[in-house]
Amino acid sequence: DVKVTQSSRYLVKRTGEKVFLECVQDMDHENMFWYRQDPGLGLRLIYFSYDVKMKEKGDIPEGYSVSREKKERFSLILESASTNQTSMYLCASIDSPSQPQHFGDGTRLSIL
Amino acid sequence: QQPVQSPQAVILREGEDAVINCSSSKALYSVHWYRQKHGEAPVFLMILLKGGEQKGHEKISASFNEKKQQSSLYLTASQLSYSGTYFCGTEEGYSNYQLIWGAGTKLIIKP
Repeated sequence: DVKVTQSSRYLVKRTGEKVFLECVQDMDHENMFWYRQDPGLGLRLIYFSYDVKMKEKGDIPEGYSVSREKKERFSLILESASTNQTSMYLCASIDSPSQPQHFGDGTRLSIL
Repeated sequence: QQPVQSPQAVILREGEDAVINCSSSKALYSVHWYRQKHGEAPVFLMILLKGGEQKGHEKISASFNEKKQQSSLYLTASQLSYSGTYFCGTEEGYSNYQLIWGAGTKLIIKP
């Protein structure tokens, strides 16, 4: 079974802080995703990465950056956290197109 | 553009049937269905590919009408464990990797 692990289930940070969310997968998947989930909006793609050091912007990249230095690890960075970034963040990985996405348990981030 | 899911929410009694629809304005290569329980990660249910057959798993099945760019998820004789929010994700091309997600349908099953 694919295991996608997110570093924190709950995180509380202050406005203006730099925040790191980490995601690790153990199945050698090339493609990894960061989503943000808000009630009534479903999952919105922030960034995805199709290989080490390769990244593409998703639908809502503003205020975020990502890092993929190793194949198994995909990090989401909030450069200067703001209250409107309070949300649930989900990481996922996929082996090839038209295959199931495997999700981590999510990080519920609160920015005060 | 985000696919439209309907209904937004549905409340059933155990044993009743439900249909959840997912409709897109774009031509689709595939439709994915996931279920998410409160506080948990979305869990994969099934994928329907263009040109493929209707898929099923026990009492949950789905269809994909390519011409109408619509998919429907059928839950028959619902069980308490079916409660959760159901999401469809649409794929517009084979090599796209990305899914465009619907807003979700909340399903509540009462005993």
